[in-house]
Amino acid sequence: GIQVEQSPPDLILQEGANSTLRCNFSDSVNNLQWFHQNPWGQLINLFYIPSGTKQNGRLSATTVATERYSLLYISSSQTTDSGVYFCAVGYAGGTSYGKLTFGQGTILTVHP
Amino acid sequence: NAGVTQTPKFQVLKTGQSMTLQCAQDMNHEYMSWYRQDPGMGLRLIHYSVGAGITDQGEVPNGYNVSRSTTEDFPLRLLSAAPSQTSVYFCASSLAGTLYEQYFGPGTRLTVT
Repeated sequence: GIQVEQSPPDLILQEGANSTLRCNFSDSVNNLQWFHQNPWGQLINLFYIPSGTKQNGRLSATTVATERYSLLYISSSQTTDSGVYFCAVGYAGGTSYGKLTFGQGTILTVHP
Repeated sequence: NAGVTQTPKFQVLKTGQSMTLQCAQDMNHEYMSWYRQDPGMGLRLIHYSVGAGITDQGEVPNGYNVSRSTTEDFPLRLLSAAPSQTSVYFCASSLAGTLYEQYFGPGTRLTVT
């Protein structure tokens, strides 16, 4: 199956700093999503981005499908950005239909 | 729209007991799925359904049953709970499989003693 690796595993920032989270995947995909899991455990959709670039406020994401990676940029980080960021990929083909494979996540801590 | 809802939020079971985790969505999504989240292991797919009456196994299906009698509901049954099933369970839905964005419910935290 598809392998998903996220880096770094942990990231500690001061409020106001910028950061880049990376997601590498081992095979062709037609779905890639970034999620933020907040301290209460809720999974919040950040981006649905199988290719290209999207921006939403202080967050933006870029997926280069041909090179099998995606980047999540967080600018001017705030304490509310703390939590775990997951990358998940999927491929709608053969026995993989419907399956999202998650990375291990990046634990982000933003200090005031 | 309420989106994806799950009940209960928390549950404690004794080994050997059975129970059903409920999941419902009001977005008319064809595809629904169940994941479990364990520390350090990310989320893993248990079972999924591509439409009413159709279900299939995911990565970790043992010890769990599912059925899909309506488009809206996709319950997950634990037949005989084991401590290894202590986890947080998430239900998700999308228009159709991985071609579309998937939406997750708030989760059910299950402890088996």
